[in-house]
Amino acid sequence: DTGVSQDPRHKITKRGQNVTFRCDPISEHNRLYWYRQTLGQGPEFLTYFQNEAQLEKSRLLSDRFSAERPKGSFSTLEIQRTEQGDSAMYLCASSLRSEGDTQYFGPGTRLTVL
Amino acid sequence: QQQVKQSPQSLIVQKGGISIINCAYENTAFDYFPWYQQFPGKGPALLIAIRPDVSEKKEGRFTISFNKSAKQFSLHIMDSQPGDSATYFCAASILGSARQLTFGSGTQLTVLP
Repeated sequence: DTGVSQDPRHKITKRGQNVTFRCDPISEHNRLYWYRQTLGQGPEFLTYFQNEAQLEKSRLLSDRFSAERPKGSFSTLEIQRTEQGDSAMYLCASSLRSEGDTQYFGPGTRLTVL
Repeated sequence: QQQVKQSPQSLIVQKGGISIINCAYENTAFDYFPWYQQFPGKGPALLIAIRPDVSEKKEGRFTISFNKSAKQFSLHIMDSQPGDSATYFCAASILGSARQLTFGSGTQLTVLP
């Protein structure tokens, strides 16, 4: 399977704990995006990488959220001191700049904060 | 300015019927309008997309109609099938924003057999 993969698919944690999610984009895709989707809503943009550079992070929800893409391949999204309001689906998407605008989404990581 | 409004919230159509979902936007800088289909437990998948230099784009049973002056666009699903039952999202993006997508709130489509 050469699509976008995300791990884990489900994460249950207690309030106050830190969590980290991983995204593996389609091979050679140089752009990587993180979105959050709450129940009954469309995905909401969080942050974006071109290769290893994080070019947009102002939409991250708070300073508890951080993302990295250290070698321009996979990316991680970390949430520190989780709150119940962080419960949502976290989606990763990738695209190839030379192919225009199509973003391919992964299956998401469902986070539940108890 | 970044909002995309989508309607209806839910839609029930008989098999073989036409499903129509509408979206409206305010930001005239948007220049790319995709539609995504999402099944439960899956990520959104691109269905069809249009740029504002054309008024209609058709791919199989799916058609986007675009009205630049009204700042509206719609998805038409012809000969709707039970397998089309899913949530549909319209979206919009701007070239200068690295194509970050602004999504509508979604339409849950149910096609009855």
